[in-house]
Amino acid sequence: NAGVTQTPKFQVLKTGQSMTLQCAQDMNHNSMYWYRQDPGMGLRLIYYSASEGTTDKGEVPNGYNVSRLNKREFSLRLESAAPSQTSVYFCASSPRVREGHQPQHFGDGTRLSIL
Amino acid sequence: AQSVTQLDSHVSVSEGTPVLLRCNYSSSYSPSLFWYVQHPNKGLQLLLKYTSAATLVKGINGFEAEFKKSETSFHLTKPSAHMSDAAEYFCVVIDTGYSSASKIIFGSGTRLSIRP
Repeated sequence: NAGVTQTPKFQVLKTGQSMTLQCAQDMNHNSMYWYRQDPGMGLRLIYYSASEGTTDKGEVPNGYNVSRLNKREFSLRLESAAPSQTSVYFCASSPRVREGHQPQHFGDGTRLSIL
Repeated sequence: AQSVTQLDSHVSVSEGTPVLLRCNYSSSYSPSLFWYVQHPNKGLQLLLKYTSAATLVKGINGFEAEFKKSETSFHLTKPSAHMSDAAEYFCVVIDTGYSSASKIIFGSGTRLSIRP
């Protein structure tokens, strides 16, 4: 039972390069999320997808784009990476975003460094 | 406005002694509250959740938390710390009246260290 799988686990980019972080879940969840984690700041929501075919901005969306490819997969794209985007990125899923009782299930993260 | 405050950025206890990690929240609606644990280089794992049923919530690995509405607190406790409890702990609040995921708020985390 894989849960939430993120690829890659580590990545180093140069400023201005682009890349896509991949996320897939096998729990048949409707909602998926992308967070970034920076020291002393907890997790901040970048984008989320309440259901297949929809995406919405979170707290810190600037510099990112997302695609909900299908119910299982939700990707995060950095079009032109900046050093301020150096962070650990987490993907999460939950049964349904509009039911507040539902906890989220997290992947193990992608550690991204922008030089 | 909705917010979560974890009152200690770092807590250090001796193995076998009690653990207390403090969390205060503010919420416009009836909140759902969660505690997650994060071990090094891992994602977050759910410890326990409060969803307006019993105010004392029991979670995994011997942890529990008490929802106190009058104090707007949701502190995490464990009677006896184990070395494997060393990790980062996050308190999370979700307003059950919310209509977007932007209402999911994470605390800044508390790092728990266990002394032998």
